[in-house]
Amino acid sequence: EVQLVESGGGLIQPGGSLRLSCAVSGFTVATNYMSWVRQAPGQGLEWVSVTYADGNTHCADSVKGRFTVSRDSSKNMLYLQMDSLRAEDTAVYYCARIIRGHPDYWGQGTLVTVSS
Amino acid sequence: EIVLTQSPATLSLSPGERATLSCRASQSVSSYLAWYQQKPGQAPRLLIYDTFNRATGIPARFSGSGSGTDFTLTISSLEPEDFAVYYCQQRNNWPGTFGQGTKVEIK
Repeated sequence: EVQLVESGGGLIQPGGSLRLSCAVSGFTVATNYMSWVRQAPGQGLEWVSVTYADGNTHCADSVKGRFTVSRDSSKNMLYLQMDSLRAEDTAVYYCARIIRGHPDYWGQGTLVTVSS
Repeated sequence: EIVLTQSPATLSLSPGERATLSCRASQSVSSYLAWYQQKPGQAPRLLIYDTFNRATGIPARFSGSGSGTDFTLTISSLEPEDFAVYYCQQRNNWPGTFGQGTKVEIK
């Protein structure tokens, strides 16, 4: 059974850092395209990043230079390191597997709130 | 960046009725368009990929059509569990963009 479970969200002050984790079971992170997608409260969906099977990552312009994606093949985990957080980064963050360019399996999401 | 515009913003229908949702792209996305359903407090669920292919486990009442810049998601007969927000997403221009969503609500 495929499962993605995000963790690491919470309340953080502007300028702070958080690391989100995505624990995956049922498929191998290292051989799949993976993404982070976020959804601000009451808003639509926004790509944050895409990580290709070769490990390269593409980040959205809105987070470029502040967010970094990594993965741990031994643990089958995906991470999102978020630095210099802003109020506009407040959102539910989902990790998802990408197949044929479309996210097919999603986690339940983790809420990040950036506020003083 | 390719912009996807969904219409209408809200669709008020009764169970058993047919729902027709539209997604228009600012430039051609070929056939690389998907549809998602999202219910409150839940992650999106993939319904349709590459215009008309149903994802695993998706009922046959959901169908997709279109090409180029104009796409449609049709729900042939609404079930109570179909009332939700629907998003389109394109992958022609990587990493792709999402539409702003159409809410299908009970009339």
